[in-house]
Order: sequence, then structure tokens, then C-alpha cells
Amino acid sequence: EEQLVESGGNLVQPGGSLRLSCAASGFTFTDDWMYWVRQAPGKGLEWVANINQGGDEKYYADSVKGRFTISRDNARKSLYLQMNSLRAEDTAVYYCTREHNLWGQGTLVTVSS
Amino acid sequence: QAVVTQEPSLTVSPGGTVTLTCGSSTGAVTSSHRSNWFQQKPGQAPRRLIYDTNNKHSWTPARFSGSLLGGKAALTLSGAQPDDEAEYYCLLLYRGPWVFGGGTRLTVL
Repeated sequence: EEQLVESGGNLVQPGGSLRLSCAASGFTFTDDWMYWVRQAPGKGLEWVANINQGGDEKYYADSVKGRFTISRDNARKSLYLQMNSLRAEDTAVYYCTREHNLWGQGTLVTVSS
Repeated sequence: QAVVTQEPSLTVSPGGTVTLTCGSSTGAVTSSHRSNWFQQKPGQAPRRLIYDTNNKHSWTPARFSGSLLGGKAALTLSGAQPDDEAEYYCLLLYRGPWVFGGGTRLTVL
């Protein structure tokens, strides 16, 4: 069964850092672009970042550029999102997705003092 | 970054037809935007219905279809059912980054 499982969400203070992970299984991880998408409580979806199969091409939403870094470890079949300088507006459920057609259940990040 | 616009809410009668649209602040939406459409119900992850403008997944009900219409991407639902009541999001590609629309709350009533 194809599956994505996110982890790493937590409560963090403004200005802090957090690293999200996404473990993939049931498919060939190196075949696809991978993405992070977030959803603030009661709000719409926001595209965050993506990374190509080899990890050498990455794009970011303007709202996170310079603060977030997407990466992947193909040997471990894992996707990551390093989040620095966190702000209250980064509070959201963060989803990992494969080419937007397979989604995890999300991990909650709360930025609050 | 581009802004993608959708109708905030629409209502359709059971068995009726409705078209949701998705516009871009940069101009006409074309096939190069590779428009995607997602359905999301409360407490669930999004589920993609349409990709690359008009392509369906095996799980996409036949009553949903995608197209380009009047410079926008469009999702048409023909023969609405109560189970179609949900939030719908479009997603457009901008030469690397993607941008979601704000979502359309569809009510079947």
C-alpha cells in the first residue's frame, strides 16, 4: 500500500525551529517530485515547497522563502522540511504529498508563546 | 507571487450542474499551468480529482470534468449528489512554484 506518514509537528515558540519528516512506503520514492502543503486552522490550502527526484531543484512559496528548507533522503525514502524563524502565521497542519496525488494525514505545527 | 482566485461559495441543487472557476492574477490560465482540482471534506486530507487541466484519476467520479473556459480553469460537476458537498481547491503551476486558490465551498441543497 502506498503511504506517506508525517511526523515532527509540535508546539514551538516564535523565532524557534522545527524539522518535519515524511516517511514514504509502497512506491518508488525516487520516481517523483515531492511537496509540502499546509493548512492553517479553518483556512485554505497553501502550497509551501517542492523538490525534484534528485534533490537538486527546489521551489518555495514567497511566505517561507529564506526560512524553510526542503530536502530528501532517497536512501531512507524520506522527505524533510526544516523550518526556522517560525512565526505565528506558520501555525498549520503540514501535509507531505507525492505529486499531489498521494497525501499523508498531516502533522500539526503550532507557533505560540 | 501570483494570486489564484476562486468563487468563495456556490450552491447547486441535487442533480444539477455547476461550474467552479479558477483565475490567475498573471493573465489567462493555459495548459502550461497544469491546473489541478482537489476536493476536501472536514477532517480529511485533500483528494485530487483532476490533473493537467482535464485528466481524471481512477477514483474520480465521472460527473466531474475539468477544462479551460474563458481564460480560466474550470471544474464542472454534472448531476450533483449530496456527497459532493465539500470544499474545492484549484492549484496552478507557475514555472516551478505552485499556487492554490482560496477554495470554493460547494453546498448541495
